[in-house]
Amino acid sequence: GDSVTQMEGPVTLSEEAFLTINCTYTATGYPSLFWYVQYPGEGLQLLLKATKADDKGSNKGFEATYRKETTSFHLEKGSVQVSDSAVYFCALSEMDSSYKLIFGSGTRLLVRP
Amino acid sequence: DAEITQSPRHKITETGRQVTLACHQTWNHNNMFWYRQDLGHGLRLIHYSYGVQDTNKGEVSDGYSVSRSNTEDLPLTLESAASSQTSVYFCASSGQNQETQYFGPGTRLLVL
Repeated sequence: GDSVTQMEGPVTLSEEAFLTINCTYTATGYPSLFWYVQYPGEGLQLLLKATKADDKGSNKGFEATYRKETTSFHLEKGSVQVSDSAVYFCALSEMDSSYKLIFGSGTRLLVRP
Repeated sequence: DAEITQSPRHKITETGRQVTLACHQTWNHNNMFWYRQDLGHGLRLIHYSYGVQDTNKGEVSDGYSVSRSNTEDLPLTLESAASSQTSVYFCASSGQNQETQYFGPGTRLLVL
């Protein structure tokens, strides 16, 4: 079945460092891909999404490009802030039009001042 | 503003008791979902609904039930709580033919 694999955390960075969180997926077709962010004590919020190959999703300085050839959707940010400390989830939508999402296990990001 | 709320935010119960977690959304979304979040597992789907009177089992539905009597609410019931059901529970919703889901703040459940 479809699945999402994320790099294990925690990822610890200093403020203004470059961030990459790896995400790869397995799917029978070309699903839509998502990054959600969860701040401490809160629910998940949509960060960005891409619906087809080569699409780039972007929001709040974060970017991710839908790479069909490598089945990847890596999250990047050029300069992280302390306020970016959170858990980041990669997800894909099931191709059976069920509107269900399959999530990776999450990657915790800690940004130090 | 439209929103999705969950109650209670924290719950402690004993093994064998019935527990109901509430989820209420004001977006008039057709699709609603319940997940549990556990370390190392990400979010796993428990049950979901595409509209009134429609319910479907997800990946980890054993020991849980839902009912959908109106568009706004999808309560999750643990028929006989077990310690393995200690978790954080999230409700989410999405519009018709929409993939993006919007999440509630979560309910932290402890089963002793």
